[in-house]
Amino acid sequence: AQRVTQPEKLLSVFKGAPVELKCNYSYSGSPELFWYVQYSRQRLQLLLRHISRESIKGFTADLNKGETSFHLKKPFAQEEDSAMYYCALNSGYSTLTFGKGTMLLVSP
Amino acid sequence: DVKVTQSSRYLVKRTGEKVFLECVQDMDHENMFWYRQDPGLGLRLIYFSYDVKMKEKGDIPEGYSVSREKKERFSLILESASTNQTSMYLCASSLWGDRAFFGQGTRLTVV
Repeated sequence: AQRVTQPEKLLSVFKGAPVELKCNYSYSGSPELFWYVQYSRQRLQLLLRHISRESIKGFTADLNKGETSFHLKKPFAQEEDSAMYYCALNSGYSTLTFGKGTMLLVSP
Repeated sequence: DVKVTQSSRYLVKRTGEKVFLECVQDMDHENMFWYRQDPGLGLRLIYFSYDVKMKEKGDIPEGYSVSREKKERFSLILESASTNQTSMYLCASSLWGDRAFFGQGTRLTVV
């Protein structure tokens, strides 16, 4: 069965520090992975997807099939990055299996 | 920009009531979804639909049903609301193989 694991409920960093939000997945097949973000009082929105291989708001994520990971990284965190981040896996019929989420808090 | 609109931001219902949550999308997407979002549990799929009048169970369908009579509208129905259905409900839509767009959410409280 497909599963997405985000081991950290909360990640607290200072502004300017590097950030890595961890995501591991379990899926038999070729995975399609996403990172979604939810800022305070805003709707859930796509941050990036692995097939597009683009950087959004300075965030990147690389799919590592050997380690079954899709960690989200940013070299220098900003206060406006504070949000809830969800890693998600396309589990067929365009449905998504989500991790439990990681709250990122960036302090000044 | 794609718009997914949920009819209510906040709802308070009594135990045993029949509850309807409505969702409308304006981009002619084939797929529509209902998720519930709970702290510490993330988002879990309740039901989805890939065509009008089609519906498929997700991971937690018990206590819920859905209706999709028109392509743009997907309704979630709680046949007899219970306190353990107090949650944030998110509707989403997508094209096949494309990103999902989410509504603003409905926070349902069952008392």
